[in-house]
Amino acid sequence: QSVLTQPPSVSGAPGQRVTISCTGSSSNIGAGYDVHWYQQLPGTAPKLLIYGNSNRPSGVPDRFSGSKSGTSASLAITGLQAEDEADYYCQSYDSSLSGFWVFGGGTKLTVL
Amino acid sequence: QVQLVQSGAEVKKPGASVKVSCKASGYTFTSYGISWVRQAPGQGLEWMGWISAYNGNTNYAQKLQGRVTMTTDTSTSTAYMELRSLRSDDTAVYYCARPVGVTHYYYYMDVWGKGTTVTVSS
Repeated sequence: QSVLTQPPSVSGAPGQRVTISCTGSSSNIGAGYDVHWYQQLPGTAPKLLIYGNSNRPSGVPDRFSGSKSGTSASLAITGLQAEDEADYYCQSYDSSLSGFWVFGGGTKLTVL
Repeated sequence: QVQLVQSGAEVKKPGASVKVSCKASGYTFTSYGISWVRQAPGQGLEWMGWISAYNGNTNYAQKLQGRVTMTTDTSTSTAYMELRSLRSDDTAVYYCARPVGVTHYYYYMDVWGKGTTVTVSS
């Protein structure tokens, strides 16, 4: 089990909006630590998508946005495109014995 | 441009050790650390540990304590991850990545290597 919980899969049609949740606890997200998101296209290395809860690195389309509240965070993707089909992972710091930096289990986004 | 170039694929027998390298370029190596993340086939990302290239301080995931060692060679801007007593469930793609942020509590990984496949099989 991952310290951060994500839904295994989400799906949406082109042009739609989807959200991916990342639920943590009082030792990570709830303690105020930032949440970061990564996109992993098939057969490639992860790529930074969102950092510091809601910031986009240069080159990431503004269709991608992040938010955080309490012990959870969310990644929203609007105007869904076929090339968005990928695995998405959240990451944060955890102060318990689980480990320094922790990842969610990942969410597979399918564009219908 | 900032780049992390990893060593090639490895095939090892159970009980052996593997050492993966990660050569950095395009930035001041000692101003950052290097994090290692692995991904078993069909599975998610697992953080393995982190080393500061500035002073060599390390922090390892609890489940790997005693089997993993991370080092750096600042003369060649290269980081190394050695995993010992390999088991079949260590079969994975191993990534190095550059952590950035205000403090380690807020670090995220902005640049990743392409990954090194390590296969453990008898």
